[in-house]
Amino acid sequence: QVHLVESGGGVVQPGGPLRLSCAASGFTFSDYGIHWVRQAPGKGLEWVAVAWFHERQTVYAGSMKGRFTISRDNSKNTVYLQMNSLRAEDTAVYYCTREISGTYYFDYWGLGSLVTVSS
Amino acid sequence: QSVLTQPPSASGTPGQRVTISCSGSSSNIGSNKVNWYQQVPGTAPKLLIHSSNQRPSGVPDRFSGSKSGTSASLAISGLQSEDEADYSCAAWDDSLHGYVFGIGTRVTVL
Repeated sequence: QVHLVESGGGVVQPGGPLRLSCAASGFTFSDYGIHWVRQAPGKGLEWVAVAWFHERQTVYAGSMKGRFTISRDNSKNTVYLQMNSLRAEDTAVYYCTREISGTYYFDYWGLGSLVTVSS
Repeated sequence: QSVLTQPPSASGTPGQRVTISCSGSSSNIGSNKVNWYQQVPGTAPKLLIHSSNQRPSGVPDRFSGSKSGTSASLAISGLQSEDEADYSCAAWDDSLHGYVFGIGTRVTVL
């Protein structure tokens, strides 16, 4: 059974860092790209970043570039999202989700991890 | 402002057909497949339609998707109360080199 479990969310002060983790199980990790998608309170879904395996490639949404870093530890079936210089507008539920590499659709999602940026 | 344009709301009575539009451009819908996600408020999104018109296993056949040029649509036939949710379209954008979502359409069953 496919599982994606996010952790690491919480309250952080503006300008501070936070690292989210996404632990995957139940599928062949190397066959999938792992994406982060976020949703601010009362807003729509916003794509954040992706880490593909075979191409060892990472891609970021423009507004996240330079502040967020996605990485994957294939030995632990885990993907991380390091977020720096956090702003109030980064407050959101952060979901990790998987994509069969090259298909550009997300067939399983985690339950999400809430990040609140507030002083 | 989202790259993909959807109406904020749609509604219908049980049994009716509801259609949701999603308008994009040549760099996203015009050159890539469209996917649709269903999200009941407070829960994680669920894949509803992929590759513009393909239903994953377990998705009822009253849901259907189509694409023409730079626009796509999702149709719900025989609307049911459990279809009350937010529906978001999405696609890869070649110009932005990233994935883009619509703002989501809230479907209400009257």
